[in-house]
Amino acid sequence: NAGVTQTPKFQVLKTGQSMTLQCAQDMNHNSMYWYRQDPGMGLRLIYYSASEGTTDKGEVPNGYNVSRLNKREFSLRLESAAPSQTSVYFCASSDFGRSDTQYFGPGTRLTVL
Amino acid sequence: SQKIEQNSEALNIQEGKTATLTCNYTNYSPAYLQWYRQDPGRGPVFLLLIRENEKEKRKERLKVTFDTTLKQSLFHITASQPADSATYLCALVSGSGNTGKLIFGQGTTLQVKP
Repeated sequence: NAGVTQTPKFQVLKTGQSMTLQCAQDMNHNSMYWYRQDPGMGLRLIYYSASEGTTDKGEVPNGYNVSRLNKREFSLRLESAAPSQTSVYFCASSDFGRSDTQYFGPGTRLTVL
Repeated sequence: SQKIEQNSEALNIQEGKTATLTCNYTNYSPAYLQWYRQDPGRGPVFLLLIRENEKEKRKERLKVTFDTTLKQSLFHITASQPADSATYLCALVSGSGNTGKLIFGQGTTLQVKP
């Protein structure tokens, strides 16, 4: 039981490049979330998916898109990376409705030059 | 707008003492509050959840209180150990609470010195 996994662990992009951050969970959770964490800012919600087939914007969605591929996988895409998107990205999942606890992945450290 | 504040200054205490961390919130009446622990380079890990009708909750050396009048939660670690050194985040359910979305505080870093 791996919990929440994220790939890659580290990534360096040039401004304007695109990339997709992958997230998968093996806990059969219905809800999944993408956060970014910046120094002094705490965790901020980018997008979430309350259940398979649905996605909604969080606090800071601009510049990002998401896909809930199936119940297990929730990807985050940066279409045209900007230096302001340099951050640590965390994916989380929860069995919302039964438990409100969120389980987090190990994070992806992204640098945009 | 909803706002959560944790003491941004690091808390340094001696091993064996009780650490007390504070989480304040405004413009908000959350149904519950959660505390997470985050170690450097890792994702947050859930510790405790306390509901609005619970004044206090305990788990081993951890204790959380929730004062809805003061709009404040206190997180205590008794008999602290160097292994307790980490950043602690409080989180509140967002909006109507029917999506599982959480709003996180910025975290307080605890350093326990031997």
